[in-house]
Amino acid sequence: GAVVSQHPSRVICKSGTSVKIECRSLDFQATTMFWYRQFPKKSLMLMATSNEGSKATYEQGVEKDKFLINHASLTLSTLTVTSAHPEDSSFYICSARGRGWQETQYFGPGTRLLVL
Amino acid sequence: GDSVTQMEGPVTLSEEAFLTINCTYTATGYPSLFWYVQYPGEGLQLLLKATKADDKGSNKGFEATYRKETTSFHLEKGSVQVSDSAVYFCALRGSNDYKLSFGAGTTVTVRA
Repeated sequence: GAVVSQHPSRVICKSGTSVKIECRSLDFQATTMFWYRQFPKKSLMLMATSNEGSKATYEQGVEKDKFLINHASLTLSTLTVTSAHPEDSSFYICSARGRGWQETQYFGPGTRLLVL
Repeated sequence: GDSVTQMEGPVTLSEEAFLTINCTYTATGYPSLFWYVQYPGEGLQLLLKATKADDKGSNKGFEATYRKETTSFHLEKGSVQVSDSAVYFCALRGSNDYKLSFGAGTTVTVRA
């Protein structure tokens, strides 16, 4: 299957700082990328959908100014958690879909964020 | 809205035991149903899927049948191995949408 990477795999930051997480499709062009958040023992919650070259579409209840998503190329999307707070600590997962793939998505390994 | 409910874990089994993970869903129309698996340190991988009622998805010895009458998609494997230890997620995609809705995940540990 196709490969999606995330960087970093884990990050610890101080409250009030911003953190950027990268999601890359390594062997295909990702026209759509999805960002999920996973709480302990909870399901994945879709945060936003980004299409290359256009603004991300955020799910209800997700703050656009808090979670900045950029999908500037067909192989890279970034999620920036701005002014992070301890409640933003979570596991963030991206997935990517190629053109015409319908429901098929390939997932990255996730990024563990801890805000102190 | 669409939702998925799967049995809570963790589930601990011995090798060669029978595994069942229950999954039920709520959706309008005719959703597609999926099972994803997440091995330690890796991203979610599609394990199997079914796109219409009575379809059976199968892969790596795992099976699940799309039961519209009971709105279920239970995952089964007849003889598990240690390498099957992972977190399993049931998911659906609505008939008019591309988004995936996930269950909470079930952690399965298989002991030698």
